[in-house]
Amino acid sequence: GNSVTQMEGPVTLSEEAFLTINCTYTATGYPSLFWYVQYPGEGLQLLLKATKADDKGSNKGFEATYRKETTSFHLEKGSVQVSDSAVYFCALAPSGGSYIPTFGRGTSLIVHP
Amino acid sequence: NAGVTQTPKFQVLKTGQSMTLQCAQDMNHNSMYWYRQDPGMGLRLIYYSASEGTTDKGEVPNGYNVSRLNKREFSLRLESAAPSQTSVYFCASSRGENTGDYGYTFGSGTRLTVV
Repeated sequence: GNSVTQMEGPVTLSEEAFLTINCTYTATGYPSLFWYVQYPGEGLQLLLKATKADDKGSNKGFEATYRKETTSFHLEKGSVQVSDSAVYFCALAPSGGSYIPTFGRGTSLIVHP
Repeated sequence: NAGVTQTPKFQVLKTGQSMTLQCAQDMNHNSMYWYRQDPGMGLRLIYYSASEGTTDKGEVPNGYNVSRLNKREFSLRLESAAPSQTSVYFCASSRGENTGDYGYTFGSGTRLTVV
C-alpha cells in the first residue's frame, strides 16, 4: 500500500535559520505530492503541491521538489520566521484506484525569536 | 469567506450520548471527507463521499455513520459516544474524486471530548 514517512519532530530553529523537513513516500504509479500546514487551533491548509517528477511546488517562501528517483518531497525554506511555527504534513494522492490521499504523521516546527 | 464550515467547534459528551457533527462547503466541490486527528496518529479517514449520493468507509469507520445530505453538506454521527472517540474531527472537500489535481480544503475542526 501507499505510505508517507516524515521526520520526527519537533524541529526547533531560530528565526532566519534554514529549514528542511524530510518526506519520503512509497506508492505505485505516479502520485501527486502535497505539503499541508496546520497552525495551532486550525485545520490543515494546502501549502504547495507537485503533480509529476521534477516539478517544484512553491508558496510563501517554501519549496519542495518531486524526486521520483529518491521517492522524496522534502520541504525547504531559506529563512524561517516565528510565524512559520506550525505542524507540517506531507501527503500523496494516488494516480488511480480510490484516489484517497495518504498523510504523513506531521512534523512540528517551533521557531524561536 | 468561501470554504468548509464545521459546527460545533467544541463539544463535551457523556459516554453513551449521541451527536451529529455538521459540515458544509460552498465551493461546489463534489467530494467530501471526515477525518479524525489524534496525537501521534496523524490523520485517519473515517468516511468519505466521492459524489452526492455515495458514501464509503475509510480506515476507522466503526462507531460512526455519515449522511451526504446534498452536494454541500456531509454530516458525521456518533450514535453512542465512547471515550475512545475523544479527538479532533476535520471535514474536508475536494473538487473531484481525483484529489491529485487540487488537494483538499479543510474545515477548522470540531474538538470533541467524551467523558
